[in-house]
Amino acid sequence: EAGVAQSPRYKIIEKRQSVAFWCNPISGHATLYWYQQILGQGPKLLIQFQNNGVVDDSQLPKDRFSAERLKGVDSTLKIQPAKLEDSAVYLCASSQGTGPQTQYFGPGTRLLVL
Amino acid sequence: AQSVTQLDSQVPVFEEAPVELRCNYSSSVSVYLFWYVQYPNQGLQLLLKYLSGSTLVKGINGFEAEFNKSQTSFHLRKPSVHISDTAEYFCAVIEAAGNKLTFGGGTRVLVKP
Repeated sequence: EAGVAQSPRYKIIEKRQSVAFWCNPISGHATLYWYQQILGQGPKLLIQFQNNGVVDDSQLPKDRFSAERLKGVDSTLKIQPAKLEDSAVYLCASSQGTGPQTQYFGPGTRLLVL
Repeated sequence: AQSVTQLDSQVPVFEEAPVELRCNYSSSVSVYLFWYVQYPNQGLQLLLKYLSGSTLVKGINGFEAEFNKSQTSFHLRKPSVHISDTAEYFCAVIEAAGNKLTFGGGTRVLVKP
């Protein structure tokens, strides 16, 4: 069974530029998550989708971050414009459903904003 | 809202020695608890989880954890570590009626030969 795929693996941009990350979850997983992991901290949930609907986006900085999951499969997370403090690893995860389900994580995208 | 505290940011340990990683949580309702491991340059993977039943939970790679409701703790243990256990370990909690998984800050384990 293929795992969660993410691209790119690494990205370096200048502040005020825009960037997009892509995630393809495990086949059949209805729930998809985007986390931000700042160096030295645990992952923080940015947004959670159930199929193509948003379950929780309370910690997503909506003035600069956006995410979509068209057709309820793969997803993109966009930052526009980027700030220095957005430097982090962006993790995508998926699970069969919501609640106390095991989440399966991708390898992450490491973003450096200069 | 729930929160998780991992009391040790780094734990150095010699190969074949035991290790315990401490995790305490805060919540006003019932919770489910998880331990995830992150090996260098890899994504997180589940070690074990407590949903209900026996408070002693066994996971992969010889790890186990004990849920203590009165102390609001979920400490992770392994009786004898290997070099390959060098990784970062994250405790996480989700409220019983909730959807959001909250992670602790992580404990970096460095196993020395």
